[in-house]
Amino acid sequence: EPEVTQTPSHQVTQMGQEVILRCVPISNHLYFYWYRQILGQKVEFLVSFYNNEISEKSEIFDDQFSVERPDGSNFTLKIRSTKLEDSAMYFCASSLVTGRSTDTQYFGPGTRLTVL
Amino acid sequence: RKEVEQDPGPFNVPEGATVAFNCTYSNSASQSFFWYRQDCRKEPKLLMSVYSSGNEDGRFTAQLNRASQYISLLIRDSKLSDSATYLCVVESNAGNMLTFGGGTRLMVKP
Repeated sequence: EPEVTQTPSHQVTQMGQEVILRCVPISNHLYFYWYRQILGQKVEFLVSFYNNEISEKSEIFDDQFSVERPDGSNFTLKIRSTKLEDSAMYFCASSLVTGRSTDTQYFGPGTRLTVL
Repeated sequence: RKEVEQDPGPFNVPEGATVAFNCTYSNSASQSFFWYRQDCRKEPKLLMSVYSSGNEDGRFTAQLNRASQYISLLIRDSKLSDSATYLCVVESNAGNMLTFGGGTRLMVKP
């Protein structure tokens, strides 16, 4: 069964450093997403991406965040200057289409980001 | 008011028990509804979509009441492997943003 993959599984960084989290969505999917989950809290939407542009973003997704699809397979989330409160599990997801209940978002295993 | 609200539990039940979880959502314009399952420190995985007519998948039955903005999940004949956190998830009419509830933790004991 095709799956979303993410690298690295765990990233440790110093406050103020830039990090790039990488995702390979399922190959024929067209919509890509990033979510985060702070330890012990709920999963929160960050951003969705379609046709090489952001289609929606939450208020969490401020100017410190950016997304990119640099080639035909990877989808990245960049945090320019990490803060302690950015420590969380970051999940990438993809879906074939959207707007219908049959079009599932499939989640990757996540990258655990620890900001020291 | 929280957008998607769930009882956090935990629900501690013996194997073979029937257990029900409920969820309420605040956005009446929501279009799609799901139950996801999340194991400890793992990604959410789709358990089932929820349709207005109600739907069943093996031991799992989901119901949606749009008038009351209420979603339910019933698990029959609980297995040890059902132990997990069950996430109520709502998709907005904008199409591609999932809003998650805080989850209900289920622990099935031998």
